[in-house]
Amino acid sequence: DAGITQSPRHKVTETGTPVTLRCHQTENHRYMYWYRQDPGHGLRLIHYSYGVKDTDKGEVSDGYSVSRSKTEDFLLTLESATSSQTSVYFCAISRGSGTNYSSYNEQFFGPGTRLTVL
Amino acid sequence: LAKTTQPISMDSYEGQEVNITCSHNNIATNDYITWYQQFPSQGPRFIIQGYKTKVTNEVASLFIPADRKSSTLSLPRVSLSDTAVYYCLVGDRTGANNLFFGTGTRLTVIP
Repeated sequence: DAGITQSPRHKVTETGTPVTLRCHQTENHRYMYWYRQDPGHGLRLIHYSYGVKDTDKGEVSDGYSVSRSKTEDFLLTLESATSSQTSVYFCAISRGSGTNYSSYNEQFFGPGTRLTVL
Repeated sequence: LAKTTQPISMDSYEGQEVNITCSHNNIATNDYITWYQQFPSQGPRFIIQGYKTKVTNEVASLFIPADRKSSTLSLPRVSLSDTAVYYCLVGDRTGANNLFFGTGTRLTVIP
């Protein structure tokens, strides 16, 4: 709804293969985030970006890398997928003004990608 | 880091007012309190945000006491379509990577 798309929406892959998920926004927001959601854990932040080529780790970053070469795209890569990375992955964006802390909290989420690693 | 504690689940009948309380004892001076709603197979959706006292919008009200160590999301006259998971978040002043969604409160509205 907030101009965020994720691709693919569903993916099944095998252990050990590389996987890249894409998040695309049309809002020109500065901040972009990747979360994973698992039963019993809620949403957990994997990585986030605060600008082109500026990224940082979240709570559960091991086994994941990200890249942001353009404002509108934020890529999440699993270099060698494992079964523990089977999850639903959500991308989110926010305005993230440097002096308005409240803007960090208002995030807009994409539809999610369901990833299954066999 | 300001994490939150919420009830795991709640049930309510249609037409009733629902209050979901969240505790955030370590809230910092510059932190805002934000609530999200998530339906099955969808991403979370921003509902309401506040700093102190009371905030109201077309969807909900948010009550925050003076000490700000807790907050209450109030949903007036819930319907079956309000069945969802509700997350309480507190924004940490150190940056955008410190928003913890936790497991939320699963609200089930009963006919």
